[in-house]
Amino acid sequence: EVQLVESGGGLVQPGGSLRLSCAASGFTFSSYWMSWVRQAPGKGLEWVANIKQDGSEKYYVDSVKGRFTISRDNAKISLYLEVNSLRAEDTAVYYCARVRTSSGWRLDSWGQGTLVTVSS
Amino acid sequence: QSALTQPASVSGSPGQSITISCTGTSSDVGGYNYVSWYQQHPGKAPKLMIYEVSNRPSGVSNRFSGSKSGNTASLTISGLQAEDEADYYCSSYTTSSTLAFGGGTKLTVL
Repeated sequence: EVQLVESGGGLVQPGGSLRLSCAASGFTFSSYWMSWVRQAPGKGLEWVANIKQDGSEKYYVDSVKGRFTISRDNAKISLYLEVNSLRAEDTAVYYCARVRTSSGWRLDSWGQGTLVTVSS
Repeated sequence: QSALTQPASVSGSPGQSITISCTGTSSDVGGYNYVSWYQQHPGKAPKLMIYEVSNRPSGVSNRFSGSKSGNTASLTISGLQAEDEADYYCSSYTTSSTLAFGGGTKLTVL
């Protein structure tokens, strides 16, 4: 069974930083692209970042470029999102998701999310 | 990186059919057959319901179907059931190797 478990969220002041983690199990982690998606309270889903299987390609939504960094450690079967220079509008539940690229491009498994609250 | 356009809400009675539209551009919906639909119940993680425009993952009811014409994709739910009440999001791969989501549609089963 595919499992994705996020951690690392919390309350942080504007301008602060956090490192979000996503522990994967139940599949060959190193064979899949992975994504982070966020959802602000009461709002819709927003794609944040993608990373290729070997970490050689990374893509970001414009609003986080230069502030967020996606990375992975295939040996530790984990995905990360370093979030810096946080703003109030970054407050959201952050989900990690597995990307299936065979027969299309979709997020076929999701974690339960970790809440990041940016407030003074 | 623009969001795809969905209606904010739709509603239907049990047993009826509803359709949710998702409008993008030639850089996303119109340019690829990589449109997906996700169902999200309150407080839960999203669940993949449709991928590659019209394919259903194993375990998803055949009451859910998808289609696309030009820059607009659609999700149809037939034989509405109370458990279908949820938020629905479309998503598309884009020319920038990124993903775009729609703003979400709240489905109310009357």
